[in-house]
Amino acid sequence: GQQLNQSPQSMFIQEGEDVSMNCTSSSIFNTWLWYKQDPGEGPVLLIALYKAGELTSNGRLTAQFGITRKDSFLNISASIPSDVGIYFCAVATGANSKLTFGKGITLSVRP
Amino acid sequence: DAGVTQSPTHLIKTRGQQVTLRCSPKSGHDTVSWYQQALGQGPQFIFQYYEEEERQRGNFPDRFSGHQFPNYSSELNVNALLLGDSALYLCASSLEQYEQYFGPGTRLTVT
Repeated sequence: GQQLNQSPQSMFIQEGEDVSMNCTSSSIFNTWLWYKQDPGEGPVLLIALYKAGELTSNGRLTAQFGITRKDSFLNISASIPSDVGIYFCAVATGANSKLTFGKGITLSVRP
Repeated sequence: DAGVTQSPTHLIKTRGQQVTLRCSPKSGHDTVSWYQQALGQGPQFIFQYYEEEERQRGNFPDRFSGHQFPNYSSELNVNALLLGDSALYLCASSLEQYEQYFGPGTRLTVT
């Protein structure tokens, strides 16, 4: 079946540092989304990308939809302690279609 | 504006029993999707409801069924519970868009 690859499984950074995470697929998708999940909570939508090559920002977060439509990356600049959590990439094939998620990357921020 | 709400928060059931989980979508949303999230994994799509009909279904057995009511709220029913059904069950709502907004989830433990 469809599979999204997110690696590494965990990342450890110092407060104030920038961090970049990548998500790849062997298949083409028309929509890429990034979610963050805190312990005991549901995923929260961070950024949605709809066009190949699109670069979108949301505060300190920037995400890009790869030109091949098979990958996306998320950058977090000047990390703070509340950035701790699990970051998931997800893809959709069309409007209101199901979302397929990666396994997530756990981000830890050292003060 | 209330977001997606789910009840109950936690639930403990015994193997073989049946369970019903409930979801109220974000105000103005008409589509509800259900996901199962096992520990350490990304959410897996179960099914989606729109206009009180199941519109899409993931790779889950018929023991998993659902319903959508005229007010767009939804229920997820699981029959003949197995130990492997222990997971966080997430409800997401959307409105003819790609962006799905998640509730906090129901933690189901099967003993």
